[in-house]
Amino acid sequence: DADVTQTPRNRITKTGKRIMLECSQTKGHDRMYWYRQDPGLGLRLIYYSFDVKDINKGEISDGYSVSRQAQAKFSLSLESAIPNQTALYFCATSEPGQGARDNEQFFGPGTRLTVL
Amino acid sequence: AQSVSQHNHHVILSEAASLELGCNYSYGGTVNLFWYVQYPGQHLQLLLKYFSGDPLVKGIKGFEAEFIKSKFSFNLRKPSVQWSDTAEYFCAVNTNFGNEKLTFGTGTRLTIIP
Repeated sequence: DADVTQTPRNRITKTGKRIMLECSQTKGHDRMYWYRQDPGLGLRLIYYSFDVKDINKGEISDGYSVSRQAQAKFSLSLESAIPNQTALYFCATSEPGQGARDNEQFFGPGTRLTVL
Repeated sequence: AQSVSQHNHHVILSEAASLELGCNYSYGGTVNLFWYVQYPGQHLQLLLKYFSGDPLVKGIKGFEAEFIKSKFSFNLRKPSVQWSDTAEYFCAVNTNFGNEKLTFGTGTRLTIIP
């Protein structure tokens, strides 16, 4: 009974195709994030959302778009996939921090995307 | 913008050896610091975190980390590692309170030899 789920878990696609990765959470958190993980580069933030009406670009948003359909759902789209978007994608959630307290992020299991 | 450096890219140890993984950050103000672990094929899990108070933080599975403000460091330690500690370890920093944007280091891959 995972709190943060991602679908699909694995996807192989071709250059130029449109791809959507989905994230759902049952933690009741307002804040959601999309990261990509590349070997030797760690995790880099793509987009983040603090509530349904709030969407913000992260450090590597080019080539990606997002949709926050509900508090529990945050989707990441690649409008026209390219090979250098091959990576492991993670969704995460958190609660609003109370000052400096308790702003841990909770991660989903990841989606491994391969663009040929 | 803040950055996080993990200089050890791959560490190989035998079981029962002591572990120390380095983490340095660049930011002059107040920080929150985290260590996450990613076991093979799994998602990231929080090992421990520092917000304030005692600079020596204890986490799960016998891990601890020490925040040394003067050195901008938050090194992860474990006195005696086990084969099950084989994983990738990420240090992360948050400097915008109420924002919860984490900046991650590049990770350290730890391999424990039985």
